[in-house]
Amino acid sequence: NAGVMQNPRHLVRRRGQEARLRCSPMKGHSHVYWYRQLPEEGLKFMVYLQKENIIDESGMPKERFSAEFPKEGPSILRIQQVVRGDSAAYFCASSVTGTNTEAFFGQGTRLTVV
Amino acid sequence: DAKTTQPTSMDCAEGRAANLPCNHSTISGNEYVYWYRQIHSQGPQYIIHGLKNNETNEMASLIITEDRKSSTLILPHATLRDTAVYYCIVRVIQGAQKLVFGQGTRLTINP
Repeated sequence: NAGVMQNPRHLVRRRGQEARLRCSPMKGHSHVYWYRQLPEEGLKFMVYLQKENIIDESGMPKERFSAEFPKEGPSILRIQQVVRGDSAAYFCASSVTGTNTEAFFGQGTRLTVV
Repeated sequence: DAKTTQPTSMDCAEGRAANLPCNHSTISGNEYVYWYRQIHSQGPQYIIHGLKNNETNEMASLIITEDRKSSTLILPHATLRDTAVYYCIVRVIQGAQKLVFGQGTRLTINP
């Protein structure tokens, strides 16, 4: 059973471009979470999605950031018009249900904005 | 979710037991204690969780005090590969399942 798969592992974008980060949850998991880790800082929750629904987006910046988890395919975190401050590691986690089960994390996507 | 307090850093000799404390004095009855670790810049790894009874798995043991205001994660025979940042997280049983990460404890295992 493959773990949570994130791609790409490393992404370089110029300021103003769009970044698309993909997350395939573990098999059988229908709950996905995105976290961001700025350099030398802790992980910060961004958004929690269940298939086709956003459950909690309290950690998402109000502009330029969006997330989706379609019925088919991976979850996508999209960052439009990237700025240098978006450079960070973005981690995705998945769980079987939304109630008291451990979440399993992917290896992250490291976004560098130049 | 209740706030947790952990020491910033700890050292432990290889082969010895590593005991990582966590204070969560404002924990409420419907909150679990979770432990995760992050090795270098990898994704966080789930270790263990518990409500009020002590728990043990292949990775570690979790000791929760009777009043549930603090807990200790025990790595029984620490190896160099256990060097990581360890996060103690308090999380409600129901409802939003996001994890709120603090600064954690940076554990260094020395040869």
